[in-house]
Amino acid sequence: AQSVTQLDSQVPVFEEAPVELRCNYSSSVSVYLFWYVQYPNQGLQLLLKYLSGSTLVKGINGFEAEFNKSQTSFHLRKPSVHISDTAEYFCAVTKGSYQKVTFGTGTKLQVIP
Amino acid sequence: GAGVSQSPSNKVTEKGKDVELRCDPISGHTALYWYRQRLGQGLEFLIYFQGNSAPDKSGLPSDRFSAERTGESVSTLTIQRTQQEDSAVYLCASSLGADHYNEQFFGPGTRLTVL
Repeated sequence: AQSVTQLDSQVPVFEEAPVELRCNYSSSVSVYLFWYVQYPNQGLQLLLKYLSGSTLVKGINGFEAEFNKSQTSFHLRKPSVHISDTAEYFCAVTKGSYQKVTFGTGTKLQVIP
Repeated sequence: GAGVSQSPSNKVTEKGKDVELRCDPISGHTALYWYRQRLGQGLEFLIYFQGNSAPDKSGLPSDRFSAERTGESVSTLTIQRTQQEDSAVYLCASSLGADHYNEQFFGPGTRLTVL
């Protein structure tokens, strides 16, 4: 069975500071990893994904994530956050097509002016 | 093109009543998912359709919950004899099949309130 752990339920950070949102997964097979963002009162949208190839993945709005197989992690980073980045971020994992996607419990990023 | 749509956007019902939630996926998407998001919590997987069949129903909380999909398109999630703990936002997502590794496109959700 696969699982996803987002240890930080809330992360406050000052505007223009860097941020890292942590995601660890467990799976006995190769996986595909995603980060989704949910802005206040909106639906989820895909931020970035890792399928194969380069372990550093760049997404929208200046976010990037690095797949680390040995540490089973897929942490999300941004070098300088904006107020508009205030949202909830979900990490997700799947074993592939036609497979269930498991989501983490989410991390609320609060950017402080 | 049109995204995933869900109806109604809000539903208030009395405890014990049945409710039906509808999801219209993106045209051509063969996979369809239902999730529940309780206030302040993460996404809870309910059920997944590939075409019209549901290979994974493991997330349905009880036998009061059921779902169906027809024509590889519209899906309905039915909750019978609703309870207050069923209050949540119910999210639907769809994705293309093979070679798209389950990138999901989410609808806006249906907010269910059971009084």
